[in-house]
Amino acid sequence: AQKITQTQPGMFVQEKEAVTLDCTYDTSDQSYGLFWYKQPSSGEMIFLIYQGSYDEQNATEGRYSLNFQKARKSANLVISASQLGDSAMYFCAMREQSTGNQFYFGTGTSLTVIP
Amino acid sequence: EAGVAQSPRYKIIEKRQSVAFWCNPISGHATLYWYQQILGQGPKLLIQFQNNGVVDDSQLPKDRFSAERLKGVDSTLKIQPAKLEDSAVYLCASSLELAGGGGTDTQYFGPGTRLTVL
Repeated sequence: AQKITQTQPGMFVQEKEAVTLDCTYDTSDQSYGLFWYKQPSSGEMIFLIYQGSYDEQNATEGRYSLNFQKARKSANLVISASQLGDSAMYFCAMREQSTGNQFYFGTGTSLTVIP
Repeated sequence: EAGVAQSPRYKIIEKRQSVAFWCNPISGHATLYWYQQILGQGPKLLIQFQNNGVVDDSQLPKDRFSAERLKGVDSTLKIQPAKLEDSAVYLCASSLELAGGGGTDTQYFGPGTRLTVL
């Protein structure tokens, strides 16, 4: 079974609008972390936001917020007020304590911001 | 704080040749990872080091790939001989905590090495 599932291969959003990128995960661990990374065409992986499994509040970092629904095993990324520079690949990842902190990545979502 | 450094940034070789990549993690980070990312896919873990020991190399094609982290700091990844399907971006990442330290630690990535095998 896939540890991380991203069902949206590509998404389009109008500049200044908000967009939600979906991510579901599969784990039986109680302690785990969820991460979102941005990968522009230059290839570097840029850390955006983190959510711990015990965190009760949704994580926020500037224009990024993580909609964490533990019972649904869902960790969607919300980008508010989209900018042209947000156009990139976005990867959801999970880290489980039981597997020695190995990271599992999804297949990514390509986001295009339209002017 | 300096980030993860990788070199070279780009490499073009012919099949059956050898190639080596270098990574210097963030200072003080105990854990170092090498990933292979084929175009259009997510990163795939090749090997994970904790200091200078190997934690996980289950997906490393050991007949042609090797990696070392001799002094627990920088690391090299080698491919010998290269195949066409090795064309990919090779990403190095590091994290502060030791393996098993809990699911909270963040990985920070280097800029990657884009390998093209002709």
